[in-house]
Amino acid sequence: SQTIHQWPATLVQPVGSPLSLECTVEGTSNPNLYWYRQAAGRGLQLLFYSVGIGQISSEVPQNLSASRPQDRQFILSSKKLLLSDSGFYLCAWSAGLNTGELFFGEGSRLTVL
Amino acid sequence: GENVEQHPSTLSVQEGDSAVIKCTYSDSASNYFPWYKQELGKRPQLIIDIRSNVGEKKDQRIAVTLNKTAKHFSLHITETQPEDSAVYFCAASSGFQKLVFGTGTRLLVSP
Repeated sequence: SQTIHQWPATLVQPVGSPLSLECTVEGTSNPNLYWYRQAAGRGLQLLFYSVGIGQISSEVPQNLSASRPQDRQFILSSKKLLLSDSGFYLCAWSAGLNTGELFFGEGSRLTVL
Repeated sequence: GENVEQHPSTLSVQEGDSAVIKCTYSDSASNYFPWYKQELGKRPQLIIDIRSNVGEKKDQRIAVTLNKTAKHFSLHITETQPEDSAVYFCAASSGFQKLVFGTGTRLLVSP
């Protein structure tokens, strides 16, 4: 069966520090991969999605970036965090072609101080 | 791009009552409309979805209706139970690769 792992679960970082959140999927190949941010009153905001290795689409201009170095690995990064980057980040995958069902990771809560 | 609006932001009902959550979308090309449920402290999970070639879909106590002309769709929960308490998100997509979510509805079902 397919599983998705996301870490770290919680993170407290100072303003200006770098960020790296990692997500891996097991049990499937060539998944679509996504990073969402969940903030109070704003629902689930799509940040990045990827349909293949090295293919990244950005949905929201910001100081975050994403990379997909391997088929089932998706990384969210920042060189310098802002206070406004605080939030709950969710990685997700879908099979893509014939179904849109998203399977979410357990999330990473980031607090920028 | 697509924009999805969801109402109400909070909804309180008594156990056994019905609950209705409504969403509107902007992109007439959207053809896939899922609903996700997020219980407190847990990840969102798909509960039901509908495609644009269908006007209504039902699964036990939950149903979704779609009006393509008006570009809105709704989630209906009948005979609500305390375990239905959660945040519900609607979403829309013109393809399976990118979902745009609404802002969520916090449903509270009181015993």
